[in-house]
Amino acid sequence: GAGVSQSPSNKVTEKGKDVELRCDPISGHTALYWYRQSLGQGLEFLIYFQGNSAPDKSGLPSDRFSAERTGGSVSTLTIQRTQQEDSAVYLCASSLDSGREQETQYFGPGTRLLVL
Amino acid sequence: AQSVAQPEDQVNVAEGNPLTVKCTYSVSGNPYLFWYVQYPNRGLQFLLKYITGDNLVKGSYGFEAEFNKSQTSFHLKKPSALVSDSALYFCAVRVTSGGSYIPTFGRGTSLIVHP
Repeated sequence: GAGVSQSPSNKVTEKGKDVELRCDPISGHTALYWYRQSLGQGLEFLIYFQGNSAPDKSGLPSDRFSAERTGGSVSTLTIQRTQQEDSAVYLCASSLDSGREQETQYFGPGTRLLVL
Repeated sequence: AQSVAQPEDQVNVAEGNPLTVKCTYSVSGNPYLFWYVQYPNRGLQFLLKYITGDNLVKGSYGFEAEFNKSQTSFHLKKPSALVSDSALYFCAVRVTSGGSYIPTFGRGTSLIVHP
């Protein structure tokens, strides 16, 4: 079946512009995660959605970052007034039900963001 | 709090030789442990996980990992490395109960297999 998809695959923007990154999780997966991967920094958790519950936003680095998940499926990560330090690969992952901690996460290919 | 350490930024091994990628963890309680692999310009792919039971876990592409509770380690191993195994490897941990649903990832280890 189809895996997690993300768009765009690459995004180049100018400092100060807003960007939107999209994630389509695997159908039926109720949990969705956003991570940021910077060179040599590993994976930084940003935000997590589980079903209709309020999202866990504890990883968002500033109020310029926000995310929503419509209809329990597609998610959009928005970065306002982008800064050069926002340049990174943004990864989305989904899992069947994160209420079970042993659930495997399935990752999308990522969006590579470059802020000039 | 939970944490994962991958002490080696890079591991070099010759093709055909055994490989080990190290991972140690710290959690309050019992862990669920995961290994993921990331090929260039790709997302992370699941390799294997330890939930409970046998300490030796076998996964995709001939990889295996051994859970060692006393040493709080979950090292990834393969008996004979392939050039195509060259990639970035991530270890991750979650507590089994009472903790965050968010897994904690290590910084990653770059595995380079030389022909």
